[in-house]
Amino acid sequence: DIQMTQSPSSLSASVGERVTITCQASQDIRNDLNWYQQKPGKAPKLLIYDASNLETGVPSRFSGSGSGTDFSFTVSSLQPEDFATYYCQQYDSLPLTFGGGTKVEIK
Amino acid sequence: QVQLVQSGGGVVQPGRSLRLSCAASGFTLSNYGMHWVRQAPGRGLEWVAVISYDGSNKYYADSVKGRFTISRDNSKNTLYLQMDNLRPEDTAVYYCAKVSRIAVAGAFDYWGQGTLVTVSS
Repeated sequence: DIQMTQSPSSLSASVGERVTITCQASQDIRNDLNWYQQKPGKAPKLLIYDASNLETGVPSRFSGSGSGTDFSFTVSSLQPEDFATYYCQQYDSLPLTFGGGTKVEIK
Repeated sequence: QVQLVQSGGGVVQPGRSLRLSCAASGFTLSNYGMHWVRQAPGRGLEWVAVISYDGSNKYYADSVKGRFTISRDNSKNTLYLQMDNLRPEDTAVYYCAKVSRIAVAGAFDYWGQGTLVTVSS
């Protein structure tokens, strides 16, 4: 199984700050990686697919990059509605696996 | 618009069974692979199972293999998860999810609202 190591597990940031989350795969997954946002009591929401493509309707302050084993996700200017938990997910091979999540909290 | 509406959760004793349903609308279900993903209370996301667009291929997480069965009825636009021999560690919110492309795996662009399954005596 492919292990996805996501870091940090949590962070505190202020509105307007730039935030970056990383995700490392235990083997080469090409660009078969997605990023999701989840708010309490809600289903996850797709933000970035295929490592760097912005899902339709998602604000451009969200971005993703990377390929192979190392990936990153950035919010260029954190907004109040962005405080949530973020997950990476690989789909290169089954079983699909998720990172452990990063909880972004208000400083 | 695309909607996935789930039903069938609840409280069940260990060893018993439960079936979850996921009714799809706003898109042609028969074109897409469909998945189940779960989330234990306070924990992260865990992939559970996938079924191909026509039901011919199914794959499961090791944690549920032999106990859970994913199926679909494209004529009823509905996805199912039959859960047998449930264990306390199966307690979670279960989500159905649609793949964004015509493939077994990919990004999940639409999710059901989630349904809580609690396994407890």
